[in-house]
Amino acid sequence: DGGITQSPKYLFRKEGQNVTLSCEQNLNHDAMYWYRQDPGQGLRLIYYSQIVNDFQKGDIAEGYSVSREKKESFPLTVTSAQKNPTAFYLCASSIDPGRNTQYFGPGTRLTVL
Amino acid sequence: EDKVVQSPLSLVVHEGDTVTLNCSYEVTNFRSLLWYKQEKKAPTFLFMLTSSGIEKKSGRLSSILDKKELFSILNITATQTGDSAIYLCAVEEGGADGLTFGKGTHLIIQP
Repeated sequence: DGGITQSPKYLFRKEGQNVTLSCEQNLNHDAMYWYRQDPGQGLRLIYYSQIVNDFQKGDIAEGYSVSREKKESFPLTVTSAQKNPTAFYLCASSIDPGRNTQYFGPGTRLTVL
Repeated sequence: EDKVVQSPLSLVVHEGDTVTLNCSYEVTNFRSLLWYKQEKKAPTFLFMLTSSGIEKKSGRLSSILDKKELFSILNITATQTGDSAIYLCAVEEGGADGLTFGKGTHLIIQP
């Protein structure tokens, strides 16, 4: 079945450590996105990629980094520079960056201890 | 089985019409329901609903939640071409389960 997967579902990290969240899709979508969601708030865009080997910063890119070496994969690294990393992270993909439905993964809950 | 179901999946109406978008959900530890408008890249937050029967309103848009029947509606009156978008419903669960999105309703407003 086609879909978008994120792993792990729950992730714990010590302060000062970098951590990488996985996002994979087998929908053959060109565009992929990373969002952060904090309790009671809407989504905030971290990074997005319109095509392989290309990505742009979203609204809150500081403290995060991404790569898009393969069409199917868009991993997000939360670096130690991110001041408040505890949050729920959602990955999404769409056929193209235009007005098409974004399909969301199940999310990863990151907790910094 | 999908936890959040939106209907219709697509809708085409004429400018000036009123539309009602539906979102039903089935989760064990409901915290809130959120509506988003997606036009380009990032979905734009519209409403967050936590209490049953209380209408949230913003201009021509309004939304209400029925926690007994487990659904919400999003109403748009006097539609304009700028309302054309994909409208996403998401349910936030308590604990660590985060957000679950529906598949969206693709709304097209014709002049």
